[in-house]
Amino acid sequence: GAGVSQSPSNKVTEKGKDVELRCDPISGHTALYWYRQSLGQGLEFLIYFQGNSAPDKSGLPSDRFSAERTGGSVSTLTIQRTQQEDSAVYLCASSLAGLAGQNIQYFGAGTRLSVL
Amino acid sequence: AQTVTQSQPEMSVQEAETVTLSCTYDTSESNYYLFWYKQPPSRQMILVIRQEAYKQQNATENRFSVNFQKAAKSFSLKISDSQLGDTAMYFCAFMDTSGTYKYIFGTGTRLKVLA
Repeated sequence: GAGVSQSPSNKVTEKGKDVELRCDPISGHTALYWYRQSLGQGLEFLIYFQGNSAPDKSGLPSDRFSAERTGGSVSTLTIQRTQQEDSAVYLCASSLAGLAGQNIQYFGAGTRLSVL
Repeated sequence: AQTVTQSQPEMSVQEAETVTLSCTYDTSESNYYLFWYKQPPSRQMILVIRQEAYKQQNATENRFSVNFQKAAKSFSLKISDSQLGDTAMYFCAFMDTSGTYKYIFGTGTRLKVLA
């Protein structure tokens, strides 16, 4: 596609429910990142995928958060047993891998998650 | 660990005037990249400008330019001839060149351009 696509654009859920957020990166981009943007804060790194390598999960805030990337393309971020503090905008970005100079990240429009 | 600080939560500027947004960072790395991204109400993060740390020359992109002071670890963004469409959140980001190339972001500056 022309850009990074995220769905849904907005998600409202009840506390304790599970949610899945989807990211479709730019075709040909092998690196994929998830960030969380909470109200009044900057963007917080969550997880990174690069090709077939093991993902860097160092930013995931708890074991309720997980992500996978199937076929080196689409990624799903899953939040189990959602809590009100999970309310945020979840942004996905993709980039070409390899040299640092190629690692400009292109972002999707994000999913705004509201946990009631 | 690297950190990025944006000390101006909000700023405003008159249309056609010039405004400078501040960013400082902390790192022990010698080679890295710095970015300014713009986030309008649509939430889409848009790359404004990029600076490579090993380049002494300040990057420019049309009305946008940076003042990169490596020794002071400062990376400010200057917007000339401000336009209403420049109204947005602006984030400064640091990327080291080891490992994952993930970004470390500042908390952002909300810029409002006044007519």
